[in-house]
Amino acid sequence: GNSVTQMEGPVTLSEEAFLTINCTYTATGYPSLFWYVQYPGEGLQLLLKATKADDKGSNKGFEATYRKETTSFHLEKGSVQVSDSAVYFCALFSGGYNKLIFGAGTRLAVHP
Amino acid sequence: GAVVSQHPSWVICKSGTSVKIECRSLDFQATTMFWYRQFPKQSLMLMATSNEGSKATYEQGVEKDKFLINHASLTLSTLTVTSAHPEDSSFYICSASTASYEQYFGPGTRLTVT
Repeated sequence: GNSVTQMEGPVTLSEEAFLTINCTYTATGYPSLFWYVQYPGEGLQLLLKATKADDKGSNKGFEATYRKETTSFHLEKGSVQVSDSAVYFCALFSGGYNKLIFGAGTRLAVHP
Repeated sequence: GAVVSQHPSWVICKSGTSVKIECRSLDFQATTMFWYRQFPKQSLMLMATSNEGSKATYEQGVEKDKFLINHASLTLSTLTVTSAHPEDSSFYICSASTASYEQYFGPGTRLTVT
């Protein structure tokens, strides 16, 4: 079945450090891929998405490229800020199942 | 655009009582709404999917008689936790979807059963 695997957290970084959160997936067909962010006590916000191979999603300095050959969608940011501290979820949507499949989430803590 | 609200944002109830949580799409019509449950420091677990005017489809292991879902209109879905017990304490999140695959999430409802 479809599944998403994320690197375990927490990830602790200093402000302005480079961020990578790994995400790989298993899916039949051609899923759409998403990164969501959850701030403490809140629901999920869509951070970025990619709908086909080689697409690059980007938003607020974050980027992720849909790599079909490695079944990956790693999240990157060149210079993190304290305000980026949150939990990040990688997810895929497969039309056949009509639902989002989430990874376990990765907690990011950025210190000044 | 694409705003989803939930009410209440936080509720405490006594064991054995029922609690209703509302999910509304404020500026769009949602053909499908989803209900998730999230335990502390864990991922979201899909509980059920509902389409307007039809019965909800529950995920395996979710008790449909305990978690009643009603999708009365294209902008409103409700989740009722019946005869709540402390183990039902959790963060419940809804999302709404249009004809496309994108889901828009509500801010969540924290339920505490004492």
